[in-house]
Amino acid sequence: DTAVSQTPKYLVTQMGNDKSIKCEQNLGHDTMYWYKQDSKKFLKIMFSYNNKELIINETVPNRFSPKSPDKAHLNLHINSLELGDSAVYFCASSDSWGLYEKLFFGSGTQLSVL
Amino acid sequence: QKEVEQNSGPLSVPEGAIASLNCTYSDRGSQSFFWYRQYSGKSPELIMSIYSNGDKEDGRFTAQLNKASQYVSLLIRDSQPSDSATYLCAVNYSGGSNYKLTFGKGTLLTVNP
Repeated sequence: DTAVSQTPKYLVTQMGNDKSIKCEQNLGHDTMYWYKQDSKKFLKIMFSYNNKELIINETVPNRFSPKSPDKAHLNLHINSLELGDSAVYFCASSDSWGLYEKLFFGSGTQLSVL
Repeated sequence: QKEVEQNSGPLSVPEGAIASLNCTYSDRGSQSFFWYRQYSGKSPELIMSIYSNGDKEDGRFTAQLNKASQYVSLLIRDSQPSDSATYLCAVNYSGGSNYKLTFGKGTLLTVNP
């Protein structure tokens, strides 16, 4: 049983297209995240949701829009894709939000914008 | 800007040796510290957490924290080739009511048989 699953695993698309990445966790966690890992392996938080409520919204272009229909799901929609959006996007969840949050990551979505 | 610094490596050690991975952080108010391991092409996984000054041991792994020096380290005893991975240091701090986990850029560890 996969704890945090995200789809698709690979996404290859043209500049200007719109795409979505889906994430689901079956751990019963209240908090979910989107992280971006660039080609230099730098992992940076984009968004965080706690009980479907947006709690962290980093300096991310508004072309990126997260949606949490329920506690177990957090999707990421990206409009007008640009070359610089190419990266690995990780979904994660944790059983608590705060200083002691321990993240469980999905397997990642490799996005390539051509 | 909260920063977490790690030597990117690669750090190369022979099998059976002790691997020492280091991390410094900029925010003196940081209170929780984590080490994540990431194999090539895989997702990060949590291997250690530490919240108080001193050492915390878990099997072959020991995390060390020195808040006065703003320094956290991970020691891996009896290193195995399967320990070859990128190790990410992560630091949590609170900005008012918001908490944010900040990752370092990771240290690539290679354990040679």
